[in-house]
Amino acid sequence: GDSVTQMEGPVTLSEEAFLTINCTYTATGYPSLFWYVQYPGEGLQLLLKATKADDKGSNKGFEATYRKETTSFHLEKGSVQVSDSAVYFCALTHNAGGTSYGKLTFGQGTILTVHP
Amino acid sequence: KAGVTQTPRYLIKTRGQQVTLSCSPISGHRSVSWYQQTPGQGLQFLFEYFSETQRNKGNFPGRFSGRQFSNSRSEMNVSTLELGDSALYLCASSLRRGIQETQYFGPGTRLLVL
Repeated sequence: GDSVTQMEGPVTLSEEAFLTINCTYTATGYPSLFWYVQYPGEGLQLLLKATKADDKGSNKGFEATYRKETTSFHLEKGSVQVSDSAVYFCALTHNAGGTSYGKLTFGQGTILTVHP
Repeated sequence: KAGVTQTPRYLIKTRGQQVTLSCSPISGHRSVSWYQQTPGQGLQFLFEYFSETQRNKGNFPGRFSGRQFSNSRSEMNVSTLELGDSALYLCASSLRRGIQETQYFGPGTRLLVL
């Protein structure tokens, strides 16, 4: 079945540092890939997405490129802020029917803490 | 456009009771998915509804059920609550149009079973 693996956390950085959170996946076919962010006490917010190989998703300074050859979708940001402190989830979904309907498969989440 | 709303936001129940959670999707969205989030198991898919039909179901016992109404609002029910059902329950909606299946999440309902 599908699976998503994220780098072990937590990740602690100083403000303005470079961020990378690794994400690799196992799936058949051509899934769509997502990064979601969860702030304390809240639900998930879509951060960015990519729907086909070599697509780059970007939002709020965050970027991730869909690499089919390495089955990866690593999240990067050039300069993190204290307000980026949150839990980040990598996820995939298939666009086909059957057992993929409406189902996101998530990684375990990576806690990011940014200090001033 | 209003986002996904979930009610109630917090619930405390005791073992053996049942609970019903509600989810209102983004206007125009016809698909609603439900997830359970726990520290130990992470985010796990419960089920998905589209046009009042359950089209997909995760690996949860039959105590977990749901339904969708004609206005796309959805409810999930958990009967005979167990301590392990304590979790954040999230619903998400999507358009279900074309191949862009982005899901948008609500704030969740936090359930505590005592």
